[in-house]
Amino acid sequence: DAGVIQSPRHEVTEMGQEVTLRCKPISGHNSLFWYRQTMMRGLELLIYFNNNVPIDDSGMPEDRFSAKMPNASFSTLKIQPSEPRDSAVYFCASSLFPENTEAFFGQGTRLTVV
Amino acid sequence: DAKTTQPPSMDCAEGRAANLPCNHSTISGNEYVYWYRQIHSQGPQYIIHGLKNNETNEMASLIITEDRKSSTLILPHATLRDTAVYYCIVLNAGGTSYGKLTFGQGTILTVHP
Repeated sequence: DAGVIQSPRHEVTEMGQEVTLRCKPISGHNSLFWYRQTMMRGLELLIYFNNNVPIDDSGMPEDRFSAKMPNASFSTLKIQPSEPRDSAVYFCASSLFPENTEAFFGQGTRLTVV
Repeated sequence: DAKTTQPPSMDCAEGRAANLPCNHSTISGNEYVYWYRQIHSQGPQYIIHGLKNNETNEMASLIITEDRKSSTLILPHATLRDTAVYYCIVLNAGGTSYGKLTFGQGTILTVHP
């Protein structure tokens, strides 16, 4: 397996634009997590899914953020409209719960909003 | 999940053992201790986990005290590539946790020549 695949790796956008981050989890995994990392706040859990169902989105900063998981092999994190303070590295991770709770992380998407 | 406390930074000489401590004094009986690391510009990487017995794998060893209130991650022969931020996380591996990880600030380990 190629691991967790995120795209794009880098995204630069203007304030107010819509941004969509994509994630392909490891095949067979049933839990998917979206994290955001900044220097100030470290790694924050935004939302997680189990069997494609959102379980907890309390980490989503505000209504501008939304996430979907239409099937077991794809998830998106959308920011609309984007703001400079959304600039961060966004990581996606997947795991097989409860059999194996080791989480595998993607390489991340570095988002810059100007 | 119980909270953890780690020193903000540590140094280690290449080839020597790196011993990274973690305090988790409020850990409950069904919570595991997990260790991840994050090398610069990469996603976090799983290292090892344990419940109460000491564990060893190809990357590291995990020593958990008998009262489970603290643990130590041991990298037996540190290399320059082990320079990273190391996170100690307590996780209820069952129930409704779904395996979600809550990261603290971790320990920045610098391995020097």
